[in-house]
Amino acid sequence: GAGVSQSPSNKVTEKGKDVELRCDPISGHTALYWYRQSLGQGLEFLIYFQGNSAPDKSGLPSDRFSAERTGGSVSTLTIQRTQQEDSAVYLCASSLVGQGASKTEAFFGQGTRLTVV
Amino acid sequence: LAKTTQPISMDSYEGQEVNITCSHNNIATNDYITWYQQFPSQGPRFIIQGYKTKVTNEVASLFIPADRKSSTLSLPRVSLSDTAVYYCLGENYGGSQGNLIFGKGTKLSVKP
Repeated sequence: GAGVSQSPSNKVTEKGKDVELRCDPISGHTALYWYRQSLGQGLEFLIYFQGNSAPDKSGLPSDRFSAERTGGSVSTLTIQRTQQEDSAVYLCASSLVGQGASKTEAFFGQGTRLTVV
Repeated sequence: LAKTTQPISMDSYEGQEVNITCSHNNIATNDYITWYQQFPSQGPRFIIQGYKTKVTNEVASLFIPADRKSSTLSLPRVSLSDTAVYYCLGENYGGSQGNLIFGKGTKLSVKP
């Protein structure tokens, strides 16, 4: 089976433009996470979706950032009016939580490298 | 969610055993201790998870004392390819898992 897929793998955009990053989680995984990782830094939590519950948006750095998860599957992270400090690798992960889960292992995608010029 | 503390970096040589200790003083009763490994330009990947005592798999061993306030990831006979960043975190088992908060991790450098 396929793992977590993210697209695009690389994105260069001009300052002030909007960008959309896509995440296809592993089929059947109820939990989906977005993180941001700047060069040489740790993972910064952004947002968490779990089933039909309201998402945990506590990590979003500003109102320019938003995310949706449609039909409990694909997720899109949108950054409006991009700034140079938004340049980072954006990582998505999914996990199977709840009934039947033997362990809460999160599977990560390869990330989208965003460069704002 | 458990707040974790790890050494920022560690150096080792090929063939040595490496032990990375993580402190998690406020770990919750329902939290499992989980370790992830991240290579450059890749997303983290799960290594091992445990609740108490010792867990061993083909990659590593995880030692957790009775009070669960710390844990130690043990990598036997490391090679150059084990150079990576290692993260420990507390994960809620099954049920209503919340978000996964990663700390800064431990950067392990294995030298020839």
